Amino acid sequence: GAVVSQHPSWVICKSGTSVKIECRSLDFQATTMFWYRQFPKQSLMLMATSNEGSKATYEQGVEKDKFLINHASLTLSTLTVTSAHPEDSSFYICSARGDFRGKGEQYFGPGTRLTVT
Amino acid sequence: DAKTTQPPSMDCAEGRAANLPCNHSTISGNEYVYWYRQIHSQGPQYIIHGLKYNETNEMASLIITEDRKSSTLILPHATLRDTAVYYCIVSPGYMRFGAGTRLTVKP
Repeated sequence: GAVVSQHPSWVICKSGTSVKIECRSLDFQATTMFWYRQFPKQSLMLMATSNEGSKATYEQGVEKDKFLINHASLTLSTLTVTSAHPEDSSFYICSARGDFRGKGEQYFGPGTRLTVT
Repeated sequence: DAKTTQPPSMDCAEGRAANLPCNHSTISGNEYVYWYRQIHSQGPQYIIHGLKYNETNEMASLIITEDRKSSTLILPHATLRDTAVYYCIVSPGYMRFGAGTRLTVKP
């Protein structure tokens, strides 16, 4: 299947600092990218959706000024957690949708585990 | 998006078929049924999807009832590596995840 990568796979940062997570679609062009968050023992929660070159659409309750999303190209999206706090510690997963071998399915990255100390 | 209902957990013996049910009684005509799974601490993995007909691929089979109000994911010969949380999602385009079914394959 299509490959979506994330970098870094895990990161530890101090409270008050910002962290950037990259998401890349390696073998297809992603017209739409999605960011999810998953807390321990819970399901994935959609945070935002973005189309290339457009502003992201955030889910209700997700602070757009805290979670900055940039979908600069058809293969790259970034999520920046600004002024991170311990409650932002979570598993962040990106997903990309585009034409891969004639199919437009949604493929997921391996996730980034963020720990804020 | 249509809501789905799945049992919270299921067990299956290694080598046997695992049949995971999903109810989606409010599904709309243009909504597909998708199945993903998530192995611990990894991103979700796409398994299969369908609209109204049964589908089969190298991983699994998807059986959709004629009225489309429920479906069953079948893993024909479950292995220990199939232990995961399985999500049934009804969607016109993007994925919203429910609680899923935690499948445990036992030796």
